[in-house]
Amino acid sequence: DAKTTQPPSMDCAEGRAANLPCNHSTISGNEYVYWYRQIHSQGPQYIIHGLKNNETNEMASLIITEDRKSSTLILPHATLRDTAVYYCIVRANTGFQKLVFGTGTRLLVSP
Amino acid sequence: EAGVAQSPRYKIIEKRQSVAFWCNPISGHATLYWYQQILGQGPKLLIQFQNNGVVDDSQLPKDRFSAERLKGVDSTLKIQPAKLEDSAVYLCASSLDLMGGQGQYNEQFFGPGTRLTVL
Repeated sequence: DAKTTQPPSMDCAEGRAANLPCNHSTISGNEYVYWYRQIHSQGPQYIIHGLKNNETNEMASLIITEDRKSSTLILPHATLRDTAVYYCIVRANTGFQKLVFGTGTRLLVSP
Repeated sequence: EAGVAQSPRYKIIEKRQSVAFWCNPISGHATLYWYQQILGQGPKLLIQFQNNGVVDDSQLPKDRFSAERLKGVDSTLKIQPAKLEDSAVYLCASSLDLMGGQGQYNEQFFGPGTRLTVL
């Protein structure tokens, strides 16, 4: 079972920041937070991951609270192509730990 | 760099028939995964291979599903016989290595999937 809770859907205006929340109150000390997204009719695509520090790459920023019980994925300037289902996943980075996808958040970016 | 290739993209069969899906991972990727994604749900891992060995097949319905990766490169997933509830998208993914080491993460790259409809 997925260890995360995400809102089922969110809307965002094109050009604005999209802030996608994720709750993971039972996260363990050795578990990372991963984000993937799935554009319609495509396979999931890796976005970013982090342990406890905030992370940023060319796609997004990840903000993890100090107690690590929740996080927010930020798309700073959302475009229509960012419309997708976004999955927040917690997973240890050791051993044969698999990705367990929940139902994610469906983000709709509108003009 | 070529991505993960899957075929066919679409398949329609009747229940109790057999079907096979093929996956060619990214060159050099040791780890290969098969996922099942039912409409409205996230992908569910069916089986993962490290080279040609099975690492985890705990969620594979072994009475009807089978998978192989004989030479540690491409892989096939078979369903025999198919049931109505097998209607789903079957996704293949690959990564450089399963064991990335502490702090390292070997990103999974997904193919476009095969959409199976069982009538």
